Amino acid sequence: DAGVIQSPRHEVTEMGQEVTLRCKPISGHNSLFWYRQTMMRGLELLIYFNNNVPIDDSGMPEDRFSAKMPNASFSTLKIQPSEPRDSAVYFCASGGGGVYEQYFGPGTRLTVT
Amino acid sequence: RKEVEQDPGPFNVPEGATVAFNCTYSNSASQSFFWYRQDCRKEPKLLMSVYSSGNEDGRFTAQLNRASQYISLLIRDSKLSDSATYLCVVNSGGQNFVFGPGTRLSVLP
Repeated sequence: DAGVIQSPRHEVTEMGQEVTLRCKPISGHNSLFWYRQTMMRGLELLIYFNNNVPIDDSGMPEDRFSAKMPNASFSTLKIQPSEPRDSAVYFCASGGGGVYEQYFGPGTRLTVT
Repeated sequence: RKEVEQDPGPFNVPEGATVAFNCTYSNSASQSFFWYRQDCRKEPKLLMSVYSSGNEDGRFTAQLNRASQYISLLIRDSKLSDSATYLCVVNSGGQNFVFGPGTRLSVLP
């Protein structure tokens, strides 16, 4: 299994631009999580899906952030418009199916200038 | 008070030393507990689950104290390769996982 796949691995964009991060979870996992990690705030859960349905999006910082999971093998996290304070590493993780372990993707390092 | 708290460190120890990390959690309804390891510029990976009776995996021992709401991780005979950030993770039901801020460990030659 290839593990959780995220793209792009690095993204540098200018303030105001739209950013779309992509995630392919491990096949058979029914939960998908989006996290953001910064030095100041550590690892924060933004949103998680169970069976493609958003269950808890209370961690999404504001309306500029949106996430979708159109099918079991794909999810996106979109930031529009992006701001410099959105600069962070964004991780996608998958899990579930009676297993509590979460498997993380390699992350997308986002820099907004 | 944060839901999961850890001493951020860094803990600088010589090779072969024994080092222990503690983690406290505030939600008494928490059900399951884990230690994750995160290498520099890498993703977190599960190190071990923490069971009520305590559990051991090679040089690593995890303990849970529900009454005092803390979890510990003990690393014996530390290796250079143990240098990483150790994240305490608490689950309060379903898929609600809360990660602690992490404790950074540097094992020195």
